[in-house]
Amino acid sequence: GAVVSQHPSRVICKSGTSVKIECRSLDFQATTMFWYRQFPKKSLMLMATSNEGSKATYEQGVEKDKFLINHASLTLSTLTVTSAHPEDSSFYICSASKSGAPYEQYFGPGTRLTVT
Amino acid sequence: GQQLNQSPQSMFIQEGEDVSMNCTSSSIFNTWLWYKQDPGEGPVLLIALYKAGELTSNGRLTAQFGITRKDSFLNISASIPSDVGIYFCAGQGNTPLVFGKGTRLSVIA
Repeated sequence: GAVVSQHPSRVICKSGTSVKIECRSLDFQATTMFWYRQFPKKSLMLMATSNEGSKATYEQGVEKDKFLINHASLTLSTLTVTSAHPEDSSFYICSASKSGAPYEQYFGPGTRLTVT
Repeated sequence: GQQLNQSPQSMFIQEGEDVSMNCTSSSIFNTWLWYKQDPGEGPVLLIALYKAGELTSNGRLTAQFGITRKDSFLNISASIPSDVGIYFCAGQGNTPLVFGKGTRLSVIA
């Protein structure tokens, strides 16, 4: 199997606070994890790619100081949205790939973030 | 950057009908993937294609990797209500996975 979990599934926070989202590969070791953002009725927008033990590679236009990514182990990556603003409200989805199939990404169920 | 054109954007079909959707690109891809996303959920991998010309089935789903490596199609045979959702193609070239904009499928019972 290739199961990826995310926690929390939904979070509501106030402007100015920080929120941490966890992404775990449950039954495999993820050499690479990816973080996406998805707006309503839109496709997935890649935010960053992270390899275990390395700094994340951010896509153009994504603020690395605002979206902190930590990939401390082969089964866990975290995304912290710092000083959240209402415009950060979105659906955040992580994915992970295995070493034997680096091009297949397995997605988590997503986290719905609402900033009030 | 690399972009994928996915069509159609949406489809309304009767239960039992066959469905076809496709993706094209101006760039060559080494891998084509097809995902399905249900509302409020993450995408689920349906089929992965690795070779030009490859035709792969997964139950009622069939997908092909175009010979030119610039296109792929996904067919769903004998659609059922649970096929409803958004289908995304994704291509892997020399950059991270690139996603199409999705095909929203509605099945009328």
